[in-house]
Amino acid sequence: EPEVTQTPSHQVTQMGQEVILRCVPISNHLYFYWYRQILGQKVEFLVSFYNNEISEKSEIFDDQFSVERPDGSNFTLKIRSTKLEDSAMYFCASNPLATGTGELFFGEGSRLTVL
Amino acid sequence: DQQVKQNSPSLSVQEGRISILNCDYTNSMFDYFLWYKKYPAEGPTFLISISSIKDKNEDGRFTVFLNKSAKHLSLHIVPSQPGDSAVYFCAARPNSGYALNFGKGTSLLVTP
Repeated sequence: EPEVTQTPSHQVTQMGQEVILRCVPISNHLYFYWYRQILGQKVEFLVSFYNNEISEKSEIFDDQFSVERPDGSNFTLKIRSTKLEDSAMYFCASNPLATGTGELFFGEGSRLTVL
Repeated sequence: DQQVKQNSPSLSVQEGRISILNCDYTNSMFDYFLWYKKYPAEGPTFLISISSIKDKNEDGRFTVFLNKSAKHLSLHIVPSQPGDSAVYFCAARPNSGYALNFGKGTSLLVTP
């Protein structure tokens, strides 16, 4: 069964460092997303991406964040200068269409720990 | 702002009995409601959804009920099995946009 894969599974970084989280969405999917979950809190939307551009972003997704689809398979989230409060589980998701039930297919997540 | 609320952080149910997970929302501009299940160290997995124009959707042991006037939905699992033990997230999709709004989740424990 096709799945969304994410790397790394866990990254520890120092405050102020740049971090890139990588995702390989399901191959025939067209819409890609990043969500995050801070420990003990709800899953929060960061950004959606379609046709090589951001289609929607939340207030969390400020200038420190960027997304890119550098080739036909990878979808990356970059945090330019990490802060302590960026520590969270980051989930990549994809779906084939924006219409329909809105069902998203999530990866297993990348845990980011900022020290 | 919490547009989707799951007020029960945890629920414990005996195997074979019914599990009822509840969710409330504050925004009338949602067109789909979804339930996701999450095991530790895994991503959320889609379980079942319901359109805002319906009041019930059933899939095997899982049924979702939507009460629009009360802005309330619930997930019923019958009969509950130990493998159902997980965190269940309620999510809502706005009718303009793609971003799902998630609740904080309810941790379900099904005991043998």
